[in-house]
Amino acid sequence: GNSVTQMEGPVTLSEEAFLTINCTYTATGYPSLFWYVQYPGEGLQLLLKATKADDKGSNKGFEATYRKETTSFHLEKGSVQVSDSAVYFCALKRADGLTFGKGTHLIIQP
Amino acid sequence: NAGVTQTPKFQVLKTGQSMTLQCAQDMNHEYMSWYRQDPGMGLRLIHYSVGAGITDQGEVPNGYNVSRSTTEDFPLRLLSAAPSQTSVYFCASSRRFLEKGNQPQHFGDGTRLSIL
Repeated sequence: GNSVTQMEGPVTLSEEAFLTINCTYTATGYPSLFWYVQYPGEGLQLLLKATKADDKGSNKGFEATYRKETTSFHLEKGSVQVSDSAVYFCALKRADGLTFGKGTHLIIQP
Repeated sequence: NAGVTQTPKFQVLKTGQSMTLQCAQDMNHEYMSWYRQDPGMGLRLIHYSVGAGITDQGEVPNGYNVSRSTTEDFPLRLLSAAPSQTSVYFCASSRRFLEKGNQPQHFGDGTRLSIL
């Protein structure tokens, strides 16, 4: 079946540090992949997406590349800010809905 | 833009009580869904709908009912609440889901439900 595995954290970084949050998936075929972000007390917001192999999604300085060879979709940002503190979810699209990873809590310290 | 609106934001129930979580969207989206979010579990799909009058089960449907009488509304009903249903519930919608193009899911702010 479909599954998504991501580092759970919490991940604590200093402001301006480089960020990587690992995400790997198991699926039939090549599903669309997503990163969602959840700020405290809010719902999930789409951060970026990639719909086919080698696609790179990007938004707000975050990037992720769809790697079918390694079945991965790692999230990266070159210089994080305190405002990036949130929970990040990797997800893949199924026919009926989304399969989510467990979420990675990111804490950025000034 | 209201987007996806969920009510109530918080609710405490006793075991065995019933209640309905409301979800409404004003974007004329065909696809709507309900997820529950539990610590260390991510989000799991409860039920979904691809249009008015059409609903189907997701990964964890037991204990929940849904209906879709209009495009805008997709209520989730707990018939007899159990402590295992303590969770945060999210409603999500998208223009269409199964077609190519991968329209983004728009999420509500959630309902935090506690069953005592």
